[in-house]
Amino acid sequence: QVQFLQSGAEVKRPGASVKVSCKASGYTFTNYFVQWVRQAPGQGLEWMGVINPTDGTTNYAQKFQGRVTLTTDTTTTTAYLELTSLRFDDTAVFYCTRLPIRGVTDPFDYWGQGTLVTVSS
Amino acid sequence: SYMLTQPPSVSVAPGQTANIACGGKNIGTKSVHWYQQRPGQAPVLVVYDDSDRPSGIPDRFSGSNSGDTATLTIGRVEAGDEADYYCQLWESESDHPFVFGTGTKVTVL
Repeated sequence: QVQFLQSGAEVKRPGASVKVSCKASGYTFTNYFVQWVRQAPGQGLEWMGVINPTDGTTNYAQKFQGRVTLTTDTTTTTAYLELTSLRFDDTAVFYCTRLPIRGVTDPFDYWGQGTLVTVSS
Repeated sequence: SYMLTQPPSVSVAPGQTANIACGGKNIGTKSVHWYQQRPGQAPVLVVYDDSDRPSGIPDRFSGSNSGDTATLTIGRVEAGDEADYYCQLWESESDHPFVFGTGTKVTVL
């Protein structure tokens, strides 16, 4: 069965960086984009960016341009989200999810359990 | 960028029907998906491509899409349906192509 296992909660200082991992299993990793979605406390879902594991091409939401880097390791079927220059308002739960490479209008059918990143001094 | 607007909250009595609207310009020309998010949990897909249901989702969940409004309908509402619901679509002409609605909190009275 399709599963995403994300890394554990993190506490970071303002200005620091965080790297969240998302281990995928149960499907052909290179047939699906990996998407990342942010949810601040009490807020809605916010799309951050997408990566094609086949060639590493990315597309980032303008809001996060310059601070976010998405990568994948096809040998371990793991996706990574790195966010730099953390601010207090980056405190959020980060989710990974997938989308068929041949179906960008398709839904996000499986999600990771989420990783809470707390930015605190 | 393209925006999707949902009512912040909908209240419904058990056994009744909840309708959750998702407004966007010409949304009827796009494929809309709906997610349920219970407190402390990851989102779960409940309706895709306007009106289809993934396996395991009860047929109490249905959807429609026309004009400038897509709608998620929950029939015979149960206490377990209390959650946040988000619509989502792909907008090809936007620099922010994957768009989520603002979310609706469904409260079962």
